[in-house]
Amino acid sequence: DIVMTQGVLPNPVPSGESASITCRSSKSLVYKDGKTYLNWFLQRPGQSPQLLTYWMSTRASGVSDRFSGSGSGTYFTLKISRVRAEDAGVYYCQQVREYPLTFGSGTKLEIK
Amino acid sequence: EVQLVETGGGLVQPGKSLKLTCATSGFTFSNAWMDWVRQSPEKQLEWVAQIKDKSNNYATYYAESVKGRFTISRDDSKSSVYLQMNSLKEEDTAIYYCTWSWLHWGQGTLVTVSS
Repeated sequence: DIVMTQGVLPNPVPSGESASITCRSSKSLVYKDGKTYLNWFLQRPGQSPQLLTYWMSTRASGVSDRFSGSGSGTYFTLKISRVRAEDAGVYYCQQVREYPLTFGSGTKLEIK
Repeated sequence: EVQLVETGGGLVQPGKSLKLTCATSGFTFSNAWMDWVRQSPEKQLEWVAQIKDKSNNYATYYAESVKGRFTISRDDSKSSVYLQMNSLKEEDTAIYYCTWSWLHWGQGTLVTVSS
């Protein structure tokens, strides 16, 4: 199975600052079509997960351009610019490169 | 508007069975690949199962932790996907979500396995 390992944020992050969340996979997530099969989600308290980006860097419909995904085949970063109170929650990375699909353990973001 | 509504959760004893239903609307269900994902009380997300569409022969895939105990199925005429859970264990206790394309999620249904 592909293991997804997420980093920890130095919380809380001051409102208006930037935050970068990291995720590492135990195997390359680049498929033969050249796409990188890595999703990022935000789960706010009491809510279902919300898709932020897919194919590593493509923002989902309706997602603010303050969220940007980047990375290589095994190391990924979700950058949140000018953080706001509404960005608070737990961020999860997920690989959909191969079965079984796997999630990271989550990174909590608190806003000051 | 896309909607996914999970039902069927509840309290069940270890070793018993439960069937979850995810009723959907607002998109062409027959072409959709559907997934079940669960979230443990410790908040860890775990992918459970996926079912593809008819053009992909309704292929199914499972997490190792549920293989042989859980069965995902669908009824395109009802725009619904199901999760039959047998031989339930305490570690199956979680909120179960269905999701389409990872963009659309239901609100989840709580399954508690306890004696």
